[in-house]
Amino acid sequence: AQSVTQLDSHVSVSEGTPVLLRCNYSSSYSPSLFWYVQHPNKGLQLLLKYTSAATLVKGINGFEAEFKKSETSFHLTKPSAHMSDAAEYFCVVTSNQAGTALIFGKGTTLSVSS
Amino acid sequence: DGGITQSPKYLFRKEGQNVTLSCEQNLNHDAMYWYRQDPGQGLRLIYYSQIVNDFQKGDIAEGYSVSREKKESFPLTVTSAQKNPTAFYLCASSPPSGRAYEQFFGPGTRLTVL
Repeated sequence: AQSVTQLDSHVSVSEGTPVLLRCNYSSSYSPSLFWYVQHPNKGLQLLLKYTSAATLVKGINGFEAEFKKSETSFHLTKPSAHMSDAAEYFCVVTSNQAGTALIFGKGTTLSVSS
Repeated sequence: DGGITQSPKYLFRKEGQNVTLSCEQNLNHDAMYWYRQDPGQGLRLIYYSQIVNDFQKGDIAEGYSVSREKKESFPLTVTSAQKNPTAFYLCASSPPSGRAYEQFFGPGTRLTVL
């Protein structure tokens, strides 16, 4: 069965410092993995996606993630946090090989202080 | 502008009443989804529809019902059988099969049962 685990429910950083949001996955086949971002009381927006091409994936707003099969991880990083990055982030895996549905992690809230 | 609209943004309901949440898209997407979001729980799939006049239960369908009479519309009814309906409800749609991860989300409806 497919699953994702976000290892931190809350991460706090200072503006200008690096961001690391951790995600581990479990999959019975080669998965497709994604990160979505949600700003308060808004819908979700796709940040980046891994679909079996390059293992280092670049997304919007300077975020990137690296797919590591040996560690079953897909951590999200950004070199320098900005105040506007404060939001909730979801690690997501496709629930089947056809990719017709998604399984969401429980989310990591990122706080950025000045 | 193409996108997904959900209405209303905030909805209050008395216990024991049914209520219908609206979701409309003009993206010409075939697939549509309803999710429920609770704090610390991530998103959980209620129902999804791959095509008009067809829909499938997700992980937490009990107490909910849907219809898909038109490609553009996928309304969700929260019935009195739903034991704990207070939550944030998100509607999404995605392009033709194989790209379910590219789900476009609406702004959400926050339902509160009084």
